[in-house]
Amino acid sequence: SAVISQKPSRDICQRGTSLTIQCQVDSQVTMMFWYRQQPGQSLTLIATANQGSEATYESGFVIDKFPISRPNLTFSTLTVSNMSPEDSSIYLCSVDLSGRNEQFFGPGTRLTVL
Amino acid sequence: AQSVAQPEDQVNVAEGNPLTVKCTYSVSGNPYLFWYVQYPNRGLQFLLKYITGDNLVKGSYGFEAEFNKSQTSFHLKKPSALVSDSALYFCAVRDPRVIFGKGTRLHILP
Repeated sequence: SAVISQKPSRDICQRGTSLTIQCQVDSQVTMMFWYRQQPGQSLTLIATANQGSEATYESGFVIDKFPISRPNLTFSTLTVSNMSPEDSSIYLCSVDLSGRNEQFFGPGTRLTVL
Repeated sequence: AQSVAQPEDQVNVAEGNPLTVKCTYSVSGNPYLFWYVQYPNRGLQFLLKYITGDNLVKGSYGFEAEFNKSQTSFHLKKPSALVSDSALYFCAVRDPRVIFGKGTRLHILP
């Protein structure tokens, strides 16, 4: 399995500001993903973080709002830009271990926007 | 597009009874199907997967799932429920991004 850490674990932010969430994996992985989850709700895929190229965004998510970096095979960041209360959610990093067909999830970052 | 549906928002089962959490899928080609569990205030945990092979897949914590191609279903089952099984359960399909169902909250009643 993979050990995934996220920073921060939670934050309370003001409207209009930005927050960058970090995801660190203990092994090199090809595919990394960012999800959003409202408490008690399902997970919605935001984007696939591609190493060495731009992230691939799902419908309804854009790079200006959720810029993503993937500088190497063990690290990625997701920025939530110009936040509004509607961005309050849990943001999860996920990795896919090649050949395992299993996806592992970080502990999540609980974001509250006031 | 690939998708999964979980028709039940909540399932209540008495402790010791068998439990079933339903999932149906819509995919083109051979499906890669998964079950995940999320305990309160904890991360998402992988339970089991179906890629190919036997239709009955065994996973963690005594759970199993039955792949039924004719009914396009992948129901999660356990022969005897524990109170500690109470959690939020997600069915998912891979295409190759993992897409999740809406989730089913399982309540095991003591």
